[in-house]
Amino acid sequence: KQEVTQIPAALSVPEGENLVLNCSFTDSAIYNLQWFRQDPGKGLTSLLLIQSSQREQTSGRLNASLDKSSGRSTLYIAASQPGDSATYLCAVMKAAGNKLTFGGGTRVLVKP
Amino acid sequence: SQTIHQWPATLVQPVGSPLSLECTVEGTSNPNLYWYRQAAGRGLQLLFYSVGIGQISSEVPQNLSASRPQDRQFILSSKKLLLSDSGFYLCAWSVLEGWTEAFFGQGTRLTVV
Repeated sequence: KQEVTQIPAALSVPEGENLVLNCSFTDSAIYNLQWFRQDPGKGLTSLLLIQSSQREQTSGRLNASLDKSSGRSTLYIAASQPGDSATYLCAVMKAAGNKLTFGGGTRVLVKP
Repeated sequence: SQTIHQWPATLVQPVGSPLSLECTVEGTSNPNLYWYRQAAGRGLQLLFYSVGIGQISSEVPQNLSASRPQDRQFILSSKKLLLSDSGFYLCAWSVLEGWTEAFFGQGTRLTVV
């Protein structure tokens, strides 16, 4: 059974600092890994999707890496802003079109 | 472009009452559809997923059920709500293969009183 873990559960940084969010999964046989952002009381917004054959994906200030063999992904957010404050979730998909298994999330607070 | 609609946004229901939450997707055909629940202080739990009309897979035993009467419509139901059914319900969709990025609706906050 796939288990996804995100550490730390919460993170507080001053504005301008780079954020590093970690995600680990127990079964390396994944189809893809996806990072999401969730604001309080809202749905999930997709940030980045990494296919199992890829090592990283980038979008603006966001960069996500994937090391499938070691069961790890890292989300980097450069030059954090107060607007980056949210909960960040990672999820893995075992097979194409299959279900997503989520980590517990990392709650981020960027202080101005 | 594809969009996903979920309603209502909030709902307060008494114990023992029925439930019907609806989710529709626009701009795509034959999507995979999912219902997740996010309880307070807990992670996202997959409740149901569907790969086609009338095809529903249940992940956890409970007093909830799901139906997919049309290709892009997914309904979550209950005949009698329990207090433990309170939570944040999220609908999502993805394509079957290839770039299977999942997209979520804005959620329904259900409070059973």
